[in-house]
Amino acid sequence: EAAVTQSPRNKVAVTGGKVTLSCNQTNNHNNMYWYRQDTGHGLRLIHYSYGAGSTEKGDIPDGYKASRPSQENFSLILELATPSQTSVYFCASGEGQGGAETLYFGSGTRLTVL
Amino acid sequence: GQQVQQSPASLVLQEGENAELQCNFSTSLNSMQWFYQRPGGSLVSLFYNPSGTKHSGRLTSTTVIKERRSSLHISSSQTTDSGTYLCALVNNAGAKLTFGGGTRLTVRP
Repeated sequence: EAAVTQSPRNKVAVTGGKVTLSCNQTNNHNNMYWYRQDTGHGLRLIHYSYGAGSTEKGDIPDGYKASRPSQENFSLILELATPSQTSVYFCASGEGQGGAETLYFGSGTRLTVL
Repeated sequence: GQQVQQSPASLVLQEGENAELQCNFSTSLNSMQWFYQRPGGSLVSLFYNPSGTKHSGRLTSTTVIKERRSSLHISSSQTTDSGTYLCALVNNAGAKLTFGGGTRLTVRP
């Protein structure tokens, strides 16, 4: 079965600190995504990747960087964390093309920036 | 403005009642998907339904492109149906999935 694993599950960070959220998939999917979920906003796309070495900006990329060093791993990096980045972050991998893509989500990382 | 609007924002049912969840979109549609999110948990794809009607057990999804809406019908609801239901679309410009705000469903025994 398709598997997407996120770490850590919970993270508390201080303002101005660096935070790295990790995502690993065993699906051999080319596409991977980072979303954040906030009350009243649903899921919003931060960054995505079409394969190892590629990263693309999503709808709300400011304040975030992404890294895709391999097919399996996709990281989201907050160089200077701010309280507005407190949220639940979801990673997903996808197969298929365009709108027919099926996404498999991880269990989420709850990030609190104090 | 927001491209995908879901209604109602929340819904409380007694077990056995039916539910109708709505998703309205303001942009051209390439595809529509419905997801279920467990309380405090991950998301699971329910339907890929760009047009027409699809069935899966007690769930039915209907997408009417020219009316810019999609619905998810849950029949004979069960307590295990509780959670958040999200619709997501890809527009004709080929953008990635855009999610609605979700409908939080609570089914009471």
